[in-house]
Amino acid sequence: EVQLVDSGGGLVQPGGSLRLSCAASGSTFSTYNMNWVRQAPGKGLEWVSYISSSDTKYYADSVKGRFTISRDNAKNSLYLQMNSLRAEDTAVYYCARDYGRGGHTYWYFDLWGRGTQVTVSS
Amino acid sequence: ENVLTQSPGTVSLSPGERATLSCRASQSVSSSYFAWYQQKPGQAPRLLIYGVSSRATGIPDRFSGTGSGTDFTLTISRVEPEDFAVYFCQQYGSPPLTFGGGTKVEIK
Repeated sequence: EVQLVDSGGGLVQPGGSLRLSCAASGSTFSTYNMNWVRQAPGKGLEWVSYISSSDTKYYADSVKGRFTISRDNAKNSLYLQMNSLRAEDTAVYYCARDYGRGGHTYWYFDLWGRGTQVTVSS
Repeated sequence: ENVLTQSPGTVSLSPGERATLSCRASQSVSSSYFAWYQQKPGQAPRLLIYGVSSRATGIPDRFSGTGSGTDFTLTISRVEPEDFAVYFCQQYGSPPLTFGGGTKVEIK
């Protein structure tokens, strides 16, 4: 059974940086189109970023220029480099797999990690 | 962006009762690009429905989705004990994709 395991969260001061990781089990990670989705305390879900199997990247306006998504297919891993963090970035961050494989993106998510908590506070 | 508003915020039901969860979009959702997720405390969200009415793999047929345009509904025909959770709607017809704020289904 394929699983996603998020890690790397923690407490960071405003203006600081953090790098999140998502490790995928199984041998077909390279075909996955992947996303990061976050959930602020007591709020709904918010899409953050997308990376395709061919390395096309998209970002929400709220994080553009501050966050960078990347992947290492040899390590079956997805990353989110978060810089210039703000209090409003406080949330649980989930990695999520797009339903599509390879060249097709469906934009809904059929496999999620359990999330990693990011808290931005002085 | 297309804002999704879910109602009610919380619904209290007994096992065996019918649950009707609503999601209203601020703009028409194109081409039936609409999904529903279930989330239990401390767990990752789980995809239930995509394309308005298609059940994801392994989802029991007591879950059904309907709707079009701006109004969408998730129905649980007979709520089972394992169905008590928070449910989120999502539109992916126009970027950025957006989620609703969630409806909590709690035990009465």
